[in-house]
Amino acid sequence: DTGVSQNPRHKITKRGQNVTFRCDPISEHNRLYWYRQTLGQGPEFLTYFQNEAQLEKSRLLSDRFSAERPKGSFSTLEIQRTEQGDSAMYLCASSLGQINTEAFFGQGTRLTVV
Amino acid sequence: SQQGEEDPQALSIQEGENATMNCSYKTSINNLQWYRQNSGRGLVHLILIRSNEREKHSGRLRVTLDTSKKSSSLLITASRAADTASYFCATGSTGNQFYFGTGTSLTVIP
Repeated sequence: DTGVSQNPRHKITKRGQNVTFRCDPISEHNRLYWYRQTLGQGPEFLTYFQNEAQLEKSRLLSDRFSAERPKGSFSTLEIQRTEQGDSAMYLCASSLGQINTEAFFGQGTRLTVV
Repeated sequence: SQQGEEDPQALSIQEGENATMNCSYKTSINNLQWYRQNSGRGLVHLILIRSNEREKHSGRLRVTLDTSKKSSSLLITASRAADTASYFCATGSTGNQFYFGTGTSLTVIP
């Protein structure tokens, strides 16, 4: 296992289309996080899973965003009816389910909405 | 919302010099992590320091934490051109997520 894997690396979509991103965490990690990062800013928290349960969602996550983590393994993040403001880097991270453990990030999926 | 705030926003130094960047935060934390991000890439984990620790080392990196001042610093010694990147602190508290600052952009001139 070489780390957190995200696919695709880049996605260009037309406004109004739906997109789905995938994240494969480090295999023994039961916590999985999604963050969004726009140019020149730090990553912003979107949502978090403990195994298959989605335990926390940011107010930033509108109804057009949905995330799943079936069977507590990989996770998907779907954005419906994309808007230009959704253009950003979407980052996934995973960690062991214990306090004070490091979180490791994938390379991210860069979304461009045209 | 972002809790951490890095200072300076941008730093430019000559290769071989030391680079120091600071992170201030607002609420109590359990830990603080530092990450590096090369342009357009994912974040690379550098070091985690717990709230009951004051200093931690990893190779050329030295991190300090002062919980009374709600601040941390990252020192990179003997910098290299390859250290050119953005550096972020991320604070973890009683919640399960961690919050990032706005980052320090470091340029190391060969």
